[in-house]
Amino acid sequence: DSGVTQTPKHLITATGQRVTLRCSPRSGDLSVYWYQQSLDQGLQFLIQYYNGEERAKGNILERFSAQQFPDLHSELNLSSLELGDSALYFCASSEGPSGETQYFGPGTRLLVL
Amino acid sequence: GENVEQHPSTLSVQEGDSAVIKCTYSDSASNYFPWYKQELGKRPQLIIDIRSNVGEKKDQRIAVTLNKTAKHFSLHITETQPEDSAVYFCAALLSGGYQKVTFGTGTKLQVIP
Repeated sequence: DSGVTQTPKHLITATGQRVTLRCSPRSGDLSVYWYQQSLDQGLQFLIQYYNGEERAKGNILERFSAQQFPDLHSELNLSSLELGDSALYFCASSEGPSGETQYFGPGTRLLVL
Repeated sequence: GENVEQHPSTLSVQEGDSAVIKCTYSDSASNYFPWYKQELGKRPQLIIDIRSNVGEKKDQRIAVTLNKTAKHFSLHITETQPEDSAVYFCAALLSGGYQKVTFGTGTKLQVIP
């Protein structure tokens, strides 16, 4: 157990819908990262927040947005969902902003029908 | 941006043999290179990392080597065991920079008992 929690574990929804994924970092970690892992694909970095501020941006679609709240938990919002958005979404956390030593959560499996 | 290539995509070894996975990166500014292990259906876990001021790092049966000039780094697993079977991802980033972490496409390692 990495100490990073994600909810929900599974999510099934329809095309065009909007969902919110939640992540709580390890105690003391100020950075949260979001990743997308499609079937048989590698890890695609989406976005990083550090202490409430956006720190780095990856291949995040305009339909997706994220934020980190004062209690350091983070939410990833996915809207106008398409079939191709079906994937495992991981969040990770680290103590500082550097990107080093990331601890991953168990992931949220999203299925868009 | 950074591009990370990882080879091979699949690797089968007999139990007790060694396994080597290689990655090359494109951005000479990258200075932090982690390796993650992802067992089937589970989260990626950091197993070893190396910084650009070090050429080699070892942790029991796992070692990572870095050649900055050639811009490649490798994961070495000795005396492989069935529990080493997993997908291994390499990554590269500029630690502390405002840039995304880039992952390789993964290597599926199968250790045959």
